[in-house]
Amino acid sequence: DAGITQSPRHKVTETGTPVTLRCHQTENHRYMYWYRQDPGHGLRLIHYSYGVKDTDKGEVSDGYSVSRSKTEDFLLTLESATSSQTSVYFCAIMSATGDSPLHFGNGTRLTVT
Amino acid sequence: QKEVEQNSGPLSVPEGAIASLNCTYSDRGSQSFFWYRQYSGKSPELIMSIYSNGDKEDGRFTAQLNKASQYVSLLIRDSQPSDSATYLCAVNVNTDKLIFGTGTRLQVFP
Repeated sequence: DAGITQSPRHKVTETGTPVTLRCHQTENHRYMYWYRQDPGHGLRLIHYSYGVKDTDKGEVSDGYSVSRSKTEDFLLTLESATSSQTSVYFCAIMSATGDSPLHFGNGTRLTVT
Repeated sequence: QKEVEQNSGPLSVPEGAIASLNCTYSDRGSQSFFWYRQYSGKSPELIMSIYSNGDKEDGRFTAQLNKASQYVSLLIRDSQPSDSATYLCAVNVNTDKLIFGTGTRLQVFP
């Protein structure tokens, strides 16, 4: 999977608790992304990063924050998890802009009870 | 809101037939287009990319792009049961983001 590791692979948490998902890449790619995938909605962009400490919001960013302190790591935090954030979360990387495709990690299945 | 539209399917084709998957997009400025395959419970994997009008062939797969009509398609020749998966169309917006369609589920029956 193009040198991308997501952790944890599965997590069950309770409503109101904070949760952090980690994405680690070994490709030294500049761009990193967090998507969520839900039935009927497909893949939706949460946040992305275009460099260390440089991040921007996607289409469904409410309730999520991100941080990127090193090129290889991109963290997604749910400050106070809600049941609507139950989803499969995918991290992806891209080497350059425009004509480059995304390569995805294996995903994290998060359940908020 | 920039959108990518796909028919959710399922599209059912017999083994050996040609499967045709279609995608339309709303952003006329998009320059890069991708097709991903996703098996159930797995992550999306890139199968084709296309950047200019016309056809691009790779093995049994052919991607077709028509920017004037804002239309991208994927043809799978000699479909196999192992091709049964969800196919996602993705389009770049603002050069550094990809927007995905909801995917078309393909079923290839023996």
